Amino acid sequence: DAGITQSPRHKVTETGTPVTLRCHQTENHRYMYWYRQDPGHGLRLIHYSYGVKDTDKGEVSDGYSVSRSKTEDFLLTLESATSSQTSVYFCAISGGGGMNTEAFFGQGTRLTVV
Amino acid sequence: GENVEQHPSTLSVQEGDSAVIKCTYSDSASNYFPWYKQELGKRPQLIIDIRSNVGEKKDQRIAVTLNKTAKHFSLHITETQPEDSAVYFCAASTGSARQLTFGSGTQLTVLP
Repeated sequence: DAGITQSPRHKVTETGTPVTLRCHQTENHRYMYWYRQDPGHGLRLIHYSYGVKDTDKGEVSDGYSVSRSKTEDFLLTLESATSSQTSVYFCAISGGGGMNTEAFFGQGTRLTVV
Repeated sequence: GENVEQHPSTLSVQEGDSAVIKCTYSDSASNYFPWYKQELGKRPQLIIDIRSNVGEKKDQRIAVTLNKTAKHFSLHITETQPEDSAVYFCAASTGSARQLTFGSGTQLTVLP
């Protein structure tokens, strides 16, 4: 498996509190992504990064921010968590050498907002 | 942006039969189409992919076909086995950061 680790794996938080999820990779891949997975919706892109300090919004970015200060780390922050952000969050990486576009996923973080 | 539709949402087959899952996409600029398998409580894992300059690709019991004119691609699993039971996602890649847009998934159940 690609070297990609998410932390924490599980978290329960209260409505209105800030939450930060971390994605760490050891593959030196250029691109990193945050997805959320909800029943009936597949995986939806929240934010992505194409390099250090280079990030952009995905399909469902409202209420989320990201930062990438190092190649290996991509942080997802919920500024003020809401119940609608209860979900499973997956980080992914891609951008190995040449034309390789395969995306590898982390183990996921199950977030519950109560 | 890209929109990917996937059908059916659930599929049950008898062990040994074939399974077909179909996806359509909207953005003609999409050029990479992976399929992921996700077992319960696990991460999605790539099982096969195809690029826009190829019409068909096979890997043992799994094959993917792509029709760029019609903007649809399909996953074919032959001689299904109980361990093929999982959720399958199609996706299309576009954009400078190769971001993926996923279909909504197909729950495949292989009955012994």
